[in-house]
Amino acid sequence: SQELEQSPQSLIVQEGKNLTINCTSSKTLYGLYWYKQKYGEGLIFLMMLQKGGEEKSHEKITAKLDEKKQQSSLHITASQPSHAGIYLCGGGDAGGTSYGKLTFGQGTILTVHP
Amino acid sequence: DGGITQSPKYLFRKEGQNVTLSCEQNLNHDAMYWYRQDPGQGLRLIYYSQIVNDFQKGDIAEGYSVSREKKESFPLTVTSAQKNPTAFYLCASTSTRVGGYTFGSGTRLTVV
Repeated sequence: SQELEQSPQSLIVQEGKNLTINCTSSKTLYGLYWYKQKYGEGLIFLMMLQKGGEEKSHEKITAKLDEKKQQSSLHITASQPSHAGIYLCGGGDAGGTSYGKLTFGQGTILTVHP
Repeated sequence: DGGITQSPKYLFRKEGQNVTLSCEQNLNHDAMYWYRQDPGQGLRLIYYSQIVNDFQKGDIAEGYSVSREKKESFPLTVTSAQKNPTAFYLCASTSTRVGGYTFGSGTRLTVV
């Protein structure tokens, strides 16, 4: 079965610093999803990447998917306390018209100190 | 506004009891999913359904049961056979027309 590993498991940064979270899959991904979660709440969708080499940005967050579609990174520029939370990557296991299953990494806990 | 509603937000279960968690969506999504989240861990798939009246086991289905009688609803029953049910449960749905997975706000189940 597909496994996703995130690194680091936790990250503490000073406000204004840049940071990167990585997500590595044991198999080729059919869609890579990044979510943010506040403790005890649901997941908020950030970005979806599907094509090898794809890169997307929204505000100060940039996500990339490598050419082989097995590694993704999430980069936050000039971090703010509002960026704090748990970041999860999810990988789809099916392409085409199938809905498939979404497998998640263990999450990265981000703390941003003012 | 369209979305996924999970209820209740908090649920307490006594040893040996079955409890049912509700998940309702008005997004017209075809596929629905149940995940379990334990502290410090990611989400693990319990069951999923891609069409009404059909569902498949995920990675940790033992001790759980589901039904999908309506497109909008995908309730999860945590049975007494589940040895360690205390966790945060999340429901999600998706449609190929959308491409993303939408999540509910979760139910925190505690065994007392």
